[in-house]
Amino acid sequence: NAGVTQTPKFRILKIGQSMTLQCTQDMNHNYMYWYRQDPGMGLKLIYYSVGAGITDKGEVPNGYNVSRSTTEDFPLRLELAAPSQTSVYFCASSPGTGGGQPQHFGDGTRLSIL
Amino acid sequence: ILNVEQSPQSLHVQEGDSTNFTCSFPSSNFYALHWYRWETAKSPEALFVMTLNGDEKKKGRISATLNTKEGYSYLYIKGSQPEDSATYLCAFMAFNKFYFGSGTKLNVKP
Repeated sequence: NAGVTQTPKFRILKIGQSMTLQCTQDMNHNYMYWYRQDPGMGLKLIYYSVGAGITDKGEVPNGYNVSRSTTEDFPLRLELAAPSQTSVYFCASSPGTGGGQPQHFGDGTRLSIL
Repeated sequence: ILNVEQSPQSLHVQEGDSTNFTCSFPSSNFYALHWYRWETAKSPEALFVMTLNGDEKKKGRISATLNTKEGYSYLYIKGSQPEDSATYLCAFMAFNKFYFGSGTKLNVKP
């Protein structure tokens, strides 16, 4: 009963390094989302996908890239890590038409850029 | 960027008290309003999905109402219990994107 799985759970990066945050879901959901959560703030949408091969920008896409080659996987790429990208990142998925269905969240990835 | 406001930011109540929170959102381009419960060290879990003006949803002691014309939703907890302690998030959906409020942090004292 895995649901949405995110890896890694924690990571420390140096400024300028790159990395990929992995997200996979086993519920055959069409919609997938990446959010970041900064202290005292709500979740901000980075990118989303409505199906394999289709992605679009959210509220805060700068400094990130995504791809969706399969229904199950939706990796988030940081190309040149900056201190402002220190945050907790959540991946989520939902079935069908998106808005009318609840999102299922992963456990999050805590990322520190030093 | 659309603004979603939640109030209050935090709330401290005694066990047995009833309480309510507010989520305010733009009244135009509405598609859906979600409520999530977020416990410390866990991930958000869906409480309600509301799509129609006048919607009322209930799950046990928790209920929610929706007014899309004036742009607000209320979440009510009847007879709060310590296990209700969590942050309650609302999310407004428009144009395929979700906009979350900052949440209301509820602490229920035994």
